[in-house]
Amino acid sequence: DTEVTQTPKHLVMGMTNKKSLKCEQHMGHRAMYWYKQKAKKPPELMFVYSYEKLSINESVPSRFSPECPNSSLLNLHLHALQPEDSALYLCASSQVGARGVTKNIQYFGAGTRLSVL
Amino acid sequence: AQTVTQSQPEMSVQEAETVTLSCTYDTSESDYYLFWYKQPPSRQMILVIRQEAYKQQNATENRFSVNFQKAAKSFSLKISDSQLGDAAMYFCAYRSAVARGSTLGRLYFGRGTQLTVWP
Repeated sequence: DTEVTQTPKHLVMGMTNKKSLKCEQHMGHRAMYWYKQKAKKPPELMFVYSYEKLSINESVPSRFSPECPNSSLLNLHLHALQPEDSALYLCASSQVGARGVTKNIQYFGAGTRLSVL
Repeated sequence: AQTVTQSQPEMSVQEAETVTLSCTYDTSESDYYLFWYKQPPSRQMILVIRQEAYKQQNATENRFSVNFQKAAKSFSLKISDSQLGDAAMYFCAYRSAVARGSTLGRLYFGRGTQLTVWP
């Protein structure tokens, strides 16, 4: 089973709303990732968690707040977003190899399509 | 920083024919991994094939194979016997084999090649 499950599939929110995106995997992976993808563009890395600790924050605005409550679950809390934040948000996970997370394949979820009005 | 270049924004192929997608990359590292991911309209990024830089043999997965030229920093994907289900955006990606600060876990993507398959 190489499944990464993201919910919801679609989300529409106003600029004053607070919402959360959820990502779950049961492959025993200890590295999890959030990406943002605009139409016809490659994914852009936002955050990396390794062993439930934030390892990389790509200077993402504070209106995006990640959380990794356990080894299977990754959340992205959204607050006071802007219309330009509308995008596909992808979650991925991978094993952590002997030399850190770089050795292994990242498995992606189907994403959450976010629209900010 | 590593860069990945896909020079073909769009490609098309007739069903059952063969198509090759190009990818070049720039790095000073000697140990790394290269990937081709496929993203169909369903949006999910699916791994097509992986190549480890220290392996000279080109990776193959059924109808998919790569031509890895390390000295030329080239990593092309060949799809044989193309099928309608192969239609998707294809991304070439690079990943360092060494865990080092801000490169930890990072995939460097090309801009993608949109593949259309005609019946």
